[in-house]
Amino acid sequence: AQKVTQAQTEISVVEKEDVTLDCVYETRDTTYYLFWYKQPPSGELVFLIRRNSFDEQNEISGRYSWNFQKSTSSFNFTITASQVVDSAVYFCALSSMNRDDKIIFGKGTRLHILP
Amino acid sequence: DTGVSQDPRHKITKRGQNVTFRCDPISEHNRLYWYRQTLGQGPEFLTYFQNEAQLEKSRLLSDRFSAERPKGSFSTLEIQRTEQGDSAMYLCASSFTGDPHNEQFFGPGTRLTVL
Repeated sequence: AQKVTQAQTEISVVEKEDVTLDCVYETRDTTYYLFWYKQPPSGELVFLIRRNSFDEQNEISGRYSWNFQKSTSSFNFTITASQVVDSAVYFCALSSMNRDDKIIFGKGTRLHILP
Repeated sequence: DTGVSQDPRHKITKRGQNVTFRCDPISEHNRLYWYRQTLGQGPEFLTYFQNEAQLEKSRLLSDRFSAERPKGSFSTLEIQRTEQGDSAMYLCASSFTGDPHNEQFFGPGTRLTVL
């Protein structure tokens, strides 16, 4: 079975602090994709990143960075110098071609950035 | 083409009524997925189509739910005899199997409230 666990239900930090959102996944497939999505109060899912299982290179995009570690089945997301606009629910997710690319989402982490 | 669209964006109905939602995928996308997101949870897979064929249905999709994609383009999701537990955001996503990454593009969702 596939599963995504986001142990942090809710996090609050003061603006300009760095914050890391944890994600642990389970799958028996050797080829899979990992994702992060942002869901602001408007409700739309905003795609942030997709990583395939063969690419463990960490990625940085502006203030966002992702740390993929197969050894611990983790795909953590760090926001550097957080801003109030980063306040949202963030979902980590998993899919694999063997399962017709259905996306399995975690329960999400609600992030509050306090001014 | 501006992306996946869903209609209506919001629907309020009384318990026992039938409702129908529509999803228009990105043109040329042959796969279409339906997900449901209840309050405080991540989206959960309901069903998906490849062209007009419905290839998989989640056990979450009770007998009161039916989805169609008659011409392999837009899709409808109907809920009969709605219950309060059906209140959720219904998300549609589409993808193209010719895309090596098979990326899914999400629509803005239809938020259903059953009174």
